[in-house]
Amino acid sequence: ETGVTQSPTHLIKTRGQQVTLRCSSQSGHNTVSWYQQALGQGPQFIFQYYREEENGRGNFPPRFSGLQFPNYSSELNVNALELDDSALYLCASSLGSGKNIQYFGAGTRLSVL
Amino acid sequence: GQQLNQSPQSMFIQEGEDVSMNCTSSSIFNTWLWYKQEPGEGPVLLIALYKAGELTSNGRLTAQFGITRKDSFLNISASIPSDVGIYFCAGQLRTGANSKLTFGKGITLSVRP
Repeated sequence: ETGVTQSPTHLIKTRGQQVTLRCSSQSGHNTVSWYQQALGQGPQFIFQYYREEENGRGNFPPRFSGLQFPNYSSELNVNALELDDSALYLCASSLGSGKNIQYFGAGTRLSVL
Repeated sequence: GQQLNQSPQSMFIQEGEDVSMNCTSSSIFNTWLWYKQEPGEGPVLLIALYKAGELTSNGRLTAQFGITRKDSFLNISASIPSDVGIYFCAGQLRTGANSKLTFGKGITLSVRP
């Protein structure tokens, strides 16, 4: 148990729709990172939030956006869903300082039809 | 996006055997991590390495941070059936609070009883 919880666990959407995924970070962690893991691949970094500000972004288009709240929980929003957005979306929380180890949630499995 | 190099994609070993996995990168990292992922779960941290040349153990697992800072290896000794899963290496720069992880594609380990 990492103390990082994600919801929902599974989601089915159709092309063009919008989706919001949620993540509660481990107690005491102020940094949340989001990753996309396609089938058979390693996780790819989407972006990171540190104390409610975006702090680094990977090679993902602007229709991938996020928020971090004062309690350090976070949301990932994806607009205009495409078939290729089907993947496991992972959230990881960390302390934002020191060794900065990232602990992952179980992920949200998104299927876009 | 960039991915670290892990090969082969799959490994099949007999229970009780030792297995080694290697991970290489074209870029330098100042932290190397090894995660294990099982079906329906997020990656779980096995070992973290913080200094070039560092050798760290966690039970039957041993990992080393390469001297060039561009590679790492993981060794599992006396494998057991519960070692089955996907093993990912990840590199991290830890520049300030932006601490994104760059992952390999993973190695799927199967253990024959």
